[in-house]
Amino acid sequence: DAGITQSPRHKVTETGTPVTLRCHQTENHRYMYWYRQDPGHGLRLIHYSYGVKDTDKGEVSDGYSVSRSKTEDFLLTLESATSSQTSVYFCAIRPGGQGYGYTFGSGTRLTVV
Amino acid sequence: KQEVTQIPAALSVPEGENLVLNCSFTDSAIYNLQWFRQDPGKGLTSLLLIQSSQREQTSGRLNASLDKSSGRSTLYIAASQPGDSATYLCAFYLGGNKLVFGAGTILRVKS
Repeated sequence: DAGITQSPRHKVTETGTPVTLRCHQTENHRYMYWYRQDPGHGLRLIHYSYGVKDTDKGEVSDGYSVSRSKTEDFLLTLESATSSQTSVYFCAIRPGGQGYGYTFGSGTRLTVV
Repeated sequence: KQEVTQIPAALSVPEGENLVLNCSFTDSAIYNLQWFRQDPGKGLTSLLLIQSSQREQTSGRLNASLDKSSGRSTLYIAASQPGDSATYLCAFYLGGNKLVFGAGTILRVKS
């Protein structure tokens, strides 16, 4: 989507290896989110950020860490990838204020073998 | 806890039909509602955003309404086209980090 890019788009990795996914925005939005989407579970929040160096856990944060050192970049790291982390990962951004909507990235399809 | 139900789960219609997708929710304490479209293997595209104080929004052939008293939102698609085929998701923003999604309606428009 305009103003938000995710990289890589696809990745295959081996069990036990660390993996980092990147979300980059050009909108200067305050809030950034990482979701995973799985059949039967819909979209689930992993971690989110409400400012530079300010992050918090979502509902499925185990095995994941995040960092935000600049407004425009939000990194998701799988510390030691497992097959259960095979999923499609979406980044989203939102301006500050309660009335604004979310903008989602195009997603990263991650396969852990 | 906010529960969101989308009906129908799947819908197949001939091209040109007008159609309605439904989304019901249990907690009226929402800040806004978004309707998204997701094509297979793609991301979520925001279609319409309705603020809590609003009743409806329109964009082209799409019209979305929000009735907090009945706990319902509808997405109306006029003169459907094969290019409208996708999964449609409603999502409610409850504040903080809480965005609650419905399971989606899979729409197929046949030419």
